[in-house]
Amino acid sequence: DSGVTQTPKHLITATGQRVTLRCSPRSGDLSVYWYQQSLDQGLQFLIQYYNGEERAKGNILERFSAQQFPDLHSELNLSSLELGDSALYFCASSPRQGGVGELFFGEGSRLTVL
Amino acid sequence: DAKTTQPNSMESNEEEPVHLPCNHSTISGTDYIHWYRQLPSQGPEYVIHGLTSNVNNRMASLAIAEDRKSSTLILHRATLRDAAVYYCILRDLNSGGSNYKLTFGKGTLLTVNP
Repeated sequence: DSGVTQTPKHLITATGQRVTLRCSPRSGDLSVYWYQQSLDQGLQFLIQYYNGEERAKGNILERFSAQQFPDLHSELNLSSLELGDSALYFCASSPRQGGVGELFFGEGSRLTVL
Repeated sequence: DAKTTQPNSMESNEEEPVHLPCNHSTISGTDYIHWYRQLPSQGPEYVIHGLTSNVNNRMASLAIAEDRKSSTLILHRATLRDAAVYYCILRDLNSGGSNYKLTFGKGTLLTVNP
């Protein structure tokens, strides 16, 4: 158990819909990262937040947005969903903003868009 | 991010040592070498990291070539639970918060035979 909690674990929805994925980082971790894993693209970095502020952006679509709240949990919002958005979405957390050291990953939210 | 090259797959027998290679010929002086693994249906899990010297922890050993252009993750006695995709990742210590993210490649799929 990494200490990172993601909900929901599974989600099935239709094209055009909007969903919200939630992540609770490990206690005390200030950084949260979102990753997308699909069969053809592998693990892709989407976005990073540190203590409520966006710190880095990766291959995140404009239809997707995220935020980190004062209690440090984070939400990833996916809108106007397309079939290709079906993937596993992972959240990770770490104590600091930069440097070396490990990231702790949750078990992921599996999104299926029909 | 500096690039790494790993074999697509490797096979091992249970209770035998496993050497997982990684080439990173364009590594810079401030790049740390990280290894993560992803077990089936789980999020990635930190294994080990190092800069120049060989490193040991309870999970594995990391052997780093003198010129740092390659490294090897060593599992001393493979178990069935070690079957996973292993990722070798470079991370720049000095690039600040924006590069604290991990950039995953395709990794090496390790199969462990009973």
